[in-house]
Amino acid sequence: QITLKESGPTLVKPTQTLTLTCTFSGFSVSNSGVGVGWIRQSPGKAPEWLALIYWDDEKRYNPSLKTRLTITKDMSKNQVVLTMTNMDPVDTGTYYCAHRGGSGPTDWFDPWGQGTLVTVSS
Amino acid sequence: DIQMTQSPSSLSASVGDRVTITCRASRRINNYVNWYQQKPGKAPKLLIYDASTLQSGVPSRFSGSGSVTEFTLTISSLQPEDFATYYCQQSYNTLTFGGGTKVDIK
Repeated sequence: QITLKESGPTLVKPTQTLTLTCTFSGFSVSNSGVGVGWIRQSPGKAPEWLALIYWDDEKRYNPSLKTRLTITKDMSKNQVVLTMTNMDPVDTGTYYCAHRGGSGPTDWFDPWGQGTLVTVSS
Repeated sequence: DIQMTQSPSSLSASVGDRVTITCRASRRINNYVNWYQQKPGKAPKLLIYDASTLQSGVPSRFSGSGSVTEFTLTISSLQPEDFATYYCQQSYNTLTFGGGTKVDIK
């Protein structure tokens, strides 16, 4: 059974850097085809994809946020870490990590973690 | 980025109704479309991937169809547990989600 759980601060100040950790079980991020993605959702809005890291360490970022994002993986700890710099109140929302499905060129997410609510406020 | 325009944005339906939700891509995306269900306070759940493949464990009343730029999610007979918000997502290039369709009780 695959499970993922996000952890990190619930409150950050504007201009600070957010660091979120996704701790997972039930799969290995070193296996071919595997990936872990980060997706966020502002209250009442659609999800927004942020970043994705693959088994071969290829990384993809949402172009609109690319300059602020870094995604890394730690295979020994079964963790994927996302950092987002220069946080702003508009970045407030629930941040999810998710297991990347598929083994070909297409990407879908299943399952997702429970999400962690991040509020950006001074 | 490829825009995914979902319609309708909301609908009211009764148990037993057939429900159809459409997603239109701003350019061709082959069959790289996935569908999710989200209930309040919960993470999205994958229903359909690659336009028409039912994810394991998802009831067969859910189905997906379409190609190129037009895609459809159909619920053949709406059940009480299906009242939720549904999102499409394309993975042809930069991953993007549709705006969502909220299905509530008529």
